[in-house]
Amino acid sequence: QVQLQESGPGLVKPSQTLSLTCTVSGDSISSGSYYWSWIRQPAGKGLEWIGRIYTSGSTNYNPSLKSRVTISVDTSQNQFSLKLRSVTAADTAVYYCAREQWGSWYLDYWGQGTLVTVSS
Amino acid sequence: QSVLTQPPSVSGAPGQRVTISCTGSSSNIGANYDLHWYQHLPGTAPKLLIYGNSNRPSGVPDRFSGSKSGTSASLAITGLQAEDEGDYYCQSYDSNLSGSVFGGGTKLTVL
Repeated sequence: QVQLQESGPGLVKPSQTLSLTCTVSGDSISSGSYYWSWIRQPAGKGLEWIGRIYTSGSTNYNPSLKSRVTISVDTSQNQFSLKLRSVTAADTAVYYCAREQWGSWYLDYWGQGTLVTVSS
Repeated sequence: QSVLTQPPSVSGAPGQRVTISCTGSSSNIGANYDLHWYQHLPGTAPKLLIYGNSNRPSGVPDRFSGSKSGTSASLAITGLQAEDEGDYYCQSYDSNLSGSVFGGGTKLTVL
């Protein structure tokens, strides 16, 4: 059974960098058929796709966040990570990591999500 | 403003049938990219409900079905149950954005 688990600080100060890690179990990030993605949901709003990474390190980002986002992968740890720079209160959200099927682009396995609050 | 448009809310009585629409454009649904649906219940992670327009993952009841035509898609839920109450999202790939996009979500209320 594939499982994903987000980890990282739950509180980040404005203008700083939000950093989260997703640990994958039950599948290898290097398996090749999937991308590994980040999605967020601000309180009271809908889901927003942030970006994805392939085992090779190839990335795609949401254009609205591209200037502030970096997604990286550590195949030795079976983890991938999200960094979002220069955060504001608008970046307060529940952040999810998920596995995304290459080609069809559906997200079949999701982490439980982690709330990140941006506040001083 | 989401790239994919969904009604904010739908409702129905137990046992009834409801449908949720998802309207896109020529750069996503209309470009023949697959359309997927997710169920998001309070306090849980979103769950894949329909993938590839009309396919159900193992364990999803056949009360849930999906269809796609042109630049639109629909999710139908028959035999509505109280446990179906929650938010539903459509998702596809958009060639203009070179990434995945979600609809704004539809809140389903079981009366």
